[in-house]
Amino acid sequence: DAKTTQPTSMDCAEGRAANLPCNHSTISGNEYVYWYRQIHSQGPQYIIHGLKNNETNEMASLIITEDRKSSTLILPHATLRDTAVYYCIVRVYSGAGSYQLTFGKGTKLSVIP
Amino acid sequence: GAGVSQSPSNKVTEKGKDVELRCDPISGHTALYWYRQSLGQGLEFLIYFQGNSAPDKSGLPSDRFSAERTGGSVSTLTIQRTQQEDSAVYLCASSIQGETQYFGPGTRLLVL
Repeated sequence: DAKTTQPTSMDCAEGRAANLPCNHSTISGNEYVYWYRQIHSQGPQYIIHGLKNNETNEMASLIITEDRKSSTLILPHATLRDTAVYYCIVRVYSGAGSYQLTFGKGTKLSVIP
Repeated sequence: GAGVSQSPSNKVTEKGKDVELRCDPISGHTALYWYRQSLGQGLEFLIYFQGNSAPDKSGLPSDRFSAERTGGSVSTLTIQRTQQEDSAVYLCASSIQGETQYFGPGTRLLVL
C-alpha cells in the first residue's frame, strides 16, 4: 500500500488560506490522491481528488508535485465550519473491482476566530 | 440529489444480542462498501459489493459478521452475538465502480 504522512494538527486563522500537506513518496503511477474530511460525529465527506494535474472545485484546490510524491490541499478562505480532521488517501486497487480506502490519522485542522 | 443514508443513527444493545444495520446507497451506484471506525481510529474495511458479483468479504473480522445486498441496492450488515469490542461507528459508502466513494452518516453502535 502507498502510505501517506500528514501533520497531526494545524491551526488556521478564519478567513485565511489553509494549506494542508501530505507526503506519499511510494505512490504508483496510476494511483489517485484523494482528500476527505470528517467533522466530529459525521461520516467522511469527499473533498477533491487528482492524479497528476492540479485540481480545483468549489471546496478546495489540490496541488500535486511533479514527481507526485507529495500534495497540498488548499482551502482558500477557511471558516469555522472547516474545523475537521482532513485525510489524505492514496487510493489503491484491491482487486475484483474494489478500491478499499485506507484512512490514517489525518490532520486535525482548527480554524481560529 | 439524495446521498447515502444509514439507519439507525444510533443503536444501543446488550452483549450477546444480534443487530442489523441498514445502508441505502446513492441511486445508480453499483459499488457499496462497509467500513467501521473505532474510537480515535482510522477506517477499517469490512466488505465490498459490486453489482451481482460475489462480495469481497476479506475485511470481516469474524464469522459473527455478515452482510447482504438485495436487488443490487439496499445493504444490511448483521452482527450476531454482539461483543463489547464491536462498539464502533459503522460507515457505508457507495460509488459508481472505480469512482469516488461517498459516505453515509454512519450508525453508532454501543454494546453494553
